[in-house]
Amino acid sequence: GNSVTQMEGPVTLSEEAFLTINCTYTATGYPSLFWYVQYPGEGLQLLLKATKADDKGSNKGFEATYRKETTSFHLEKGSVQVSDSAVYFCALLIQGAQKLVFGQGTRLTINP
Amino acid sequence: GAVVSQHPSWVICKSGTSVKIECRSLDFQATTMFWYRQFPKQSLMLMATSNEGSKATYEQGVEKDKFLINHASLTLSTLTVTSAHPEDSSFYICSGSKDSGANVLTFGAGSRLTVL
Repeated sequence: GNSVTQMEGPVTLSEEAFLTINCTYTATGYPSLFWYVQYPGEGLQLLLKATKADDKGSNKGFEATYRKETTSFHLEKGSVQVSDSAVYFCALLIQGAQKLVFGQGTRLTINP
Repeated sequence: GAVVSQHPSWVICKSGTSVKIECRSLDFQATTMFWYRQFPKQSLMLMATSNEGSKATYEQGVEKDKFLINHASLTLSTLTVTSAHPEDSSFYICSGSKDSGANVLTFGAGSRLTVL
């Protein structure tokens, strides 16, 4: 089946630290991969995505590379800010199935 | 950008009553609405997919008579939890898409239901 496994949280870092949130997947086809972010009191927002192997998605200083060989899509940021505190969801979309499969979410807290 | 307004953001009800959650797309026409349920520290689980003007497609294991989904217009979809019980307590999230797919979704902020 199709599934997404994320690094368990919560994750707490100091401002300007390097961030990695691990995400691995299993899929029956060739999925598109996404990272969504949910800020307090708001709906999920698309952060970045990649549609094929070796693609790199990037936005707001965050990056993730679609690694088919390791079935991974780890989220990274070189220097986090307090405003990055949120819950991050990794997700996959099987083309044709047209429904997103989410990981369990990782709560990130950045301390000043 | 596209906005989906979900209401109420939280609701408490007595066991046996029904609760309606509304999801409105404010600045786009949502051809498709997806309804999710999220348990604490767990991922979002897709409950059903609804297309405007037609019956919703429910995921396996989701009781369609318990969770009534209506998508009567391109800007409004509702989820009614009928005869709610404590085990229905959860966080419900809707998302809208301009087309039939899930590539570009706009999410509501979610509704927390507590059934006493």
